Amino acid sequence: DTAVSQTPKYLVTQMGNDKSIKCEQNLGHDTMYWYKQDSKKFLKIMFSYNNKELIINETVPNRFSPKSPDKAHLNLHINSLELGDSAVYFCASSQGPGQNEQYFGPGTRLTVT
Amino acid sequence: GNSVTQMEGPVTLSEEAFLTINCTYTATGYPSLFWYVQYPGEGLQLLLKATKADDKGSNKGFEATYRKETTSFHLEKGSVQVSDSAVYFCALISHAGNQFYFGTGTSLTVIP
Repeated sequence: DTAVSQTPKYLVTQMGNDKSIKCEQNLGHDTMYWYKQDSKKFLKIMFSYNNKELIINETVPNRFSPKSPDKAHLNLHINSLELGDSAVYFCASSQGPGQNEQYFGPGTRLTVT
Repeated sequence: GNSVTQMEGPVTLSEEAFLTINCTYTATGYPSLFWYVQYPGEGLQLLLKATKADDKGSNKGFEATYRKETTSFHLEKGSVQVSDSAVYFCALISHAGNQFYFGTGTSLTVIP
């Protein structure tokens, strides 16, 4: 069983479109995260939810909106996609927001044309 | 503030060579330190961790020691294999915080 899964794995779309990426974890963790990895492999945290509540909201355009319907899911919706949004987006989870290791999903490669 | 600095890559080694990837950190309080590995086309996986000064994390032949006096957590392996080719990330999470800080990643290629 995959611990942290994301769909889709690849997403190609045009500028101006709205798209969503879904993430699910079956580890029973309380905390989930979204990261963006650029072409140089630099990882930047975007959001974190603990028990469905937003606890980290980094400087991210408000075109990005996370939604956590329950503890096991954290989806990322992106409005009005731009070329600069092209990246690999990783979902992760951890037991809690403290000093716990994070488990990463396989990533979603988003290409905006 | 909190930050992690890793040696820049890419690093190319021959099989069975010795590997060191340097990592230094800045943090308030007493952070936990981690090394993650990302194989091509995959997500990050925890490689090893250390939660307090002088702890040594180890896994799959890799080791790193938490050195508070030099604020370092260098990754080492005595004899690398082709299958170790990946990107390695050093990371910290502060004692009071809830956020990981990742280094920029170091790409390693091991050639036969």
